[in-house]
This record gives sequence, C-alpha cells and structure tokens, in this order.
Amino acid sequence: DQQVKQNSPSLSVQEGRISILNCDYTNSMFDYFLWYKKYPAEGPTFLISISSIKDKNEDGRFTVFLNKSAKHLSLHIVPSQPGDSAVYFCAAMNTGTASKLTFGTGTRLQVTL
Amino acid sequence: KAGVTQTPRYLIKTRGQQVTLSCSPISGHRSVSWYQQTPGQGLQFLFEYFSETQRNKGNFPGRFSGRQFSNSRSEMNVSTLELGDSALYLCASGTNSYEQYFGPGTRLTVT
Repeated sequence: DQQVKQNSPSLSVQEGRISILNCDYTNSMFDYFLWYKKYPAEGPTFLISISSIKDKNEDGRFTVFLNKSAKHLSLHIVPSQPGDSAVYFCAAMNTGTASKLTFGTGTRLQVTL
Repeated sequence: KAGVTQTPRYLIKTRGQQVTLSCSPISGHRSVSWYQQTPGQGLQFLFEYFSETQRNKGNFPGRFSGRQFSNSRSEMNVSTLELGDSALYLCASGTNSYEQYFGPGTRLTVT
C-alpha cells in the first residue's frame, strides 16, 4: 500500500520557468512533510519541509504548499535552473513516531536550456 | 560540519554471506536511521536508533539488524544474504527536529 504517491515519474521544464512537483498521501496521521532532492550515486539532500499546521513554507526559490483536506502537497521551484535537474522525493512522517519517513517513488525533473 | 559518512561505498557479496555496513552521523546528531533503496520498492525505512536504543522499526525480516554505539555511530548487519537484498543502503542522522540528513549510501550487490 503506497501511502505517499508521486504520480508523475518525470517532468521537463524550461530554464527560468516554474517547476511544480506534486505529491499525494493517504495516511491522515502524517503531520510533517519533507522534500528531498537526489542526484545519482548520492544520498537524498533535504530541501524544505512543512508542518501540517501550516499551508505554505518558503525558502528562497523553493515553496511547499500543503492542502490537508485534499491530502496533497506540491513543491514549486521558481525560477528553475539546470542544476535543479535531479530526482525529487516527497516524504511524510507522523511526528508521534518520529524519524520514520515514508517516501514517494520520486519525480525526475529535467530543466532544459 | 562534516556530513554523514558511510563505509564502505560499494560492496559485492555472495548469497548466504553476511554483511556489516557502517554509518557515522553528523556531529551532535543522536538519531540514526537506515533506509533501503531499490528500483522496485523505492526508499523504505529499516530502523532508527536513538541513544543506543532502537526506537522504530520498519517491515523487514529479522535478517536485518542494527546497533548504535555510545558515540552515535551505527552499524547495520544483514545475515544470510539474498539476491533481493541488492540495493543502496542509506543512513540518515538527525537531532530533535524532524529533518534527516542522508549519507551517500552503500551500494550492496549480492551475486
């Protein structure tokens, strides 16, 4: 049972445009969400997170939006840069059982010139 | 600060053997978690240690075990290796916040 889903396996965006990566979850006990970026042969790099008490969190070019009623979150990257090309993972946790992250299957973002 | 380090980076083992992987967390981090990444299953949680105690465990068989030492370094052991254990094993460390910081992983190949 895939509790965290990233339904788009890949996304291609032009440099300078907005990249929007989506994530859906089914477990209503999840109350903290994180986005990671992963390059080949490296471990995931933490990007940004959001608590369920918020609906938006912003950090530079990265903004995460959370819609609790729809059990949906998205990561916006503006403007997109070629160095953003990587696989992006959405992850969720129940802070009551902290540190157990449940990951989505990832979306491969390609930023083209 | 130095990041999370994992050794070895690559490993080739034969079915039936056992293997031990090592992880050194970021200085000051007391939580260490282990994940398995495979093409078919994605990133899956194995277990988490905090102050030398296993605090959380995923749905993996008992062949997968771990431990944490007083300096927060952690080891993961897999006994009686199977072909399906071939994967990238990732270690992550954290503090009291919820963000976890990953190491580069150990690529295990079982032949």
